[in-house]
Amino acid sequence: DAKTTQPPSMDCAEGRAANLPCNHSTISGNEYVYWYRQIHSQGPQYIIHGLKNNETNEMASLIITEDRKSSTLILPHATLRDTAVYYCIVRPADGGATNKLIFGTGTLLAVQP
Amino acid sequence: NAGVTQTPKFQVLKTGQSMTLQCAQDMNHEYMSWYRQDPGMGLRLIHYSVGAGITDQGEVPNGYNVSRSTTEDFPLRLLSAAPSQTSVYFCASSPAGGLLGNQPQHFGDGTRLSIL
Repeated sequence: DAKTTQPPSMDCAEGRAANLPCNHSTISGNEYVYWYRQIHSQGPQYIIHGLKNNETNEMASLIITEDRKSSTLILPHATLRDTAVYYCIVRPADGGATNKLIFGTGTLLAVQP
Repeated sequence: NAGVTQTPKFQVLKTGQSMTLQCAQDMNHEYMSWYRQDPGMGLRLIHYSVGAGITDQGEVPNGYNVSRSTTEDFPLRLLSAAPSQTSVYFCASSPAGGLLGNQPQHFGDGTRLSIL
């Protein structure tokens, strides 16, 4: 019951920006957009989240369209260590009944040397 | 700067054995949860806790017990292991209060469990 759509895979050259798209056309006004990634054999790692405005932190930038129906995660200078599955997740503001995260199938980003 | 720590990292059990997966966090987070991750299934919520002394069931609780006697620890117990419980188990935590949806969850690196 994931509410997001992502491409199954993408390639990016090392040192270049990686732009990962996510479609969430049914998002509600009180739902946040979250991004996590999972590097092989590790736990999911929180990257960034936002509601309406664009956000930036030390890892990435999140660009949310004005209608909030899609967003893009930007890794400004991808390295080989950024190779991972990236998940775009929509969460209600109150967390929902259990506060669980619903991970879809994500995008496998392969950073090439 | 430990974050969420899970032990053991790997475990092999025989059918019918019991064991406890440990999870500890040092961030004073009130909310903690357990997920299992199986190929093609994504992460599924087993149990969760919104604070010490409070636990509740997620979507796949059968065969698992939890308790929350302290803020820091949230152990997951397998009562009688079955091959269907072979999986990777992740523990997560986040601050509670206010808007939970605005609080990122932080995960441990998982316990890889095989039931023979």
